[in-house]
Amino acid sequence: LAKTTQPISMDSYEGQEVNITCSHNNIATNDYITWYQQFPSQGPRFIIQGYKTKVTNEVASLFIPADRKSSTLSLPRVSLSDTAVYYCLVHSSYKLIFGSGTRLLVRP
Amino acid sequence: DSGVTQTPKHLITATGQRVTLRCSPRSGDLSVYWYQQSLDQGLQFLIQYYNGEERAKGNILERFSAQQFPDLHSELNLSSLELGDSALYFCASSVGSDGRTEAFFGQGTRLTVV
Repeated sequence: LAKTTQPISMDSYEGQEVNITCSHNNIATNDYITWYQQFPSQGPRFIIQGYKTKVTNEVASLFIPADRKSSTLSLPRVSLSDTAVYYCLVHSSYKLIFGSGTRLLVRP
Repeated sequence: DSGVTQTPKHLITATGQRVTLRCSPRSGDLSVYWYQQSLDQGLQFLIQYYNGEERAKGNILERFSAQQFPDLHSELNLSSLELGDSALYFCASSVGSDGRTEAFFGQGTRLTVV
């Protein structure tokens, strides 16, 4: 399983764009990259998934460079309610292994 | 509402006891995952079932066991409970078995061992 490295924490302000980068140097050919969001005492929630290039949905964008050794989750115009822990997962098999995640704090 | 139902929501029990946590996956989902999350800790993958069969095992203690029934609901059994087993236990479900499809998480069962 590819090991992922994310910043432990990030601070931002309402209305700003937030980019969280995840490093996964040992990503395998069949691996996908998935991001989840978790609020305190709640189960994680799927945000976005990609394999290469760029993926965009109604809440976020995921940028994956050609070598796929990293990925960046982009949250446009964050609000206070985006304060949460964000997890980057790299997987191709049955195991969904969560790392330590990035604790994002959005300030007024 | 993710569509994944976990019962009970809260459970308080004494050390040495045995408890069973139940998970009903979303309709149509064949995979069930179990996770343990201790206070301010990350999510520890315990085990995954797909259509009744065990597919992957994580750091699950020998005192813990799980199964998925023909109706696809799953149970996680925790025995000889210790204080350190106090945690939030999450169940997730997905359509596929390889994690590439979105996993939906339940609200968790908060277990307190006293």
